[in-house]
Formats: sequence, structure tokens, C-alpha cells
Amino acid sequence: AQSVTQLGSHVSVSEGALVLLRCNYSSSVPPYLFWYVQYPNQGLQLLLKYTTGATLVKGINGFEAEFKKSETSFHLTKPSAHMSDAAEYFCAVSDRQRKLIFGQGTELSVKP
Amino acid sequence: DSGVTQTPKHLITATGQRVTLRCSPRSGDLSVYWYQQSLDQGLQFLIQYYNGEERAKGNILERFSAQQFPDLHSELNLSSLELGDSALYFCASRPTGGNEQFFGPGTRLTVL
Repeated sequence: AQSVTQLGSHVSVSEGALVLLRCNYSSSVPPYLFWYVQYPNQGLQLLLKYTTGATLVKGINGFEAEFKKSETSFHLTKPSAHMSDAAEYFCAVSDRQRKLIFGQGTELSVKP
Repeated sequence: DSGVTQTPKHLITATGQRVTLRCSPRSGDLSVYWYQQSLDQGLQFLIQYYNGEERAKGNILERFSAQQFPDLHSELNLSSLELGDSALYFCASRPTGGNEQFFGPGTRLTVL
């Protein structure tokens, strides 16, 4: 069965600093991996996805993630944080039925 | 705007009551997924429909049921409501052949 672990329920960075949100997955089959962002009182917006091919995936708003099979990781990064990046971020893996199994989420705070 | 719509946005009701949440998927998407987001359980998959047929079931209570209609909209029915059913309920649609899911804005259910 698939599962996702997000390390750190809350991450705080300064504006302009590197953002690193960690995600490790468990999957018995080649995984499809996703990062979603949820702003307060809103739904989930897809940031990026990995299905096959290039292991470095670029998404919206300057985010990217790297699929590392050997480490079963799919960490999300952004070189320079902006105040508007403050939100909750969810890593998810898709199973054979294409349903999403989510991590517990990481709340990102950005300090001025 | 993901193209997925959900109504109502907010719902306040009492224990023991029954409610219906509605979801319209993106144009052309045949797959609809329902998820529940609560503070203690996080984001949990409930049920999936594809072109009117149930395809997968998650941790959905027997008091909950869903269906997908010929026009592809879906309804999630919650009955004999309990305080613990208070949560955000999201629906998502997935394009046929695609891997990512697009989420609606959610329905916030409060059971008093």
C-alpha cells in the first residue's frame, strides 16, 4: 500500500530564503507523485507532478521537486520565498486506482 | 479556478440530520473523487466514480453514500450526522488518461 510522510508539520523561512519541504513516499509500484498547495479557505491547487521521465519537475510559482527513487523522496523547493507562498502544502502519491493518498501537510510561514 | 464547482460553500446543520453535497466536474472529465479534510484525520479519500459507476471506496462510513448522474455531476449524501462529521469535503475530477486531479473549492460542513 502507498503512503506519504511529510517531515515537519510547520516550516518557517524568511522572505528571500530557500524553501525546502520534505516528502517521503512508500509505494510498491512506480509512483505518481504530486504536490498541492492550499491557501486559507480555499481548495487544493496542483503545484507540480511527477509521473515518468525527467526526475526534476518544475511547477507553478517557481517551485520544483526532484524525484529520487533511491531515497524514496520527492522534496519540494523554491530558491527564494515570497510572502505569498505562505500556505499549507500537501505531498500525495497516486495508487493504481488513481486515488490520492496525502501526507499530513506542512504549513509554510514566511517572515518579512 | 480549477473548473470544478461545489455547492454549497458552507453548511450548518444539527446532529442526526441528512445533507447532500453537490459537485460538478470539469467539462469532459468522467472521474470524480470525494475527499474529507479534518483536523484529526487530514485529507482522506472517500469514494470515486467514473462515468456513473463506483470505482473505488476508501474510508467512507456506511452513513455516507454517493452517486454520479448521467450529466456527470456527483452528490455526496451524509446521513445521521454526528459532531465528528464536521469537516471540509472536497470533490476532484480527473481527465481520462490524465494523472492529476483538479479540486473544487470544498464544502465546509459544521454539525452542531
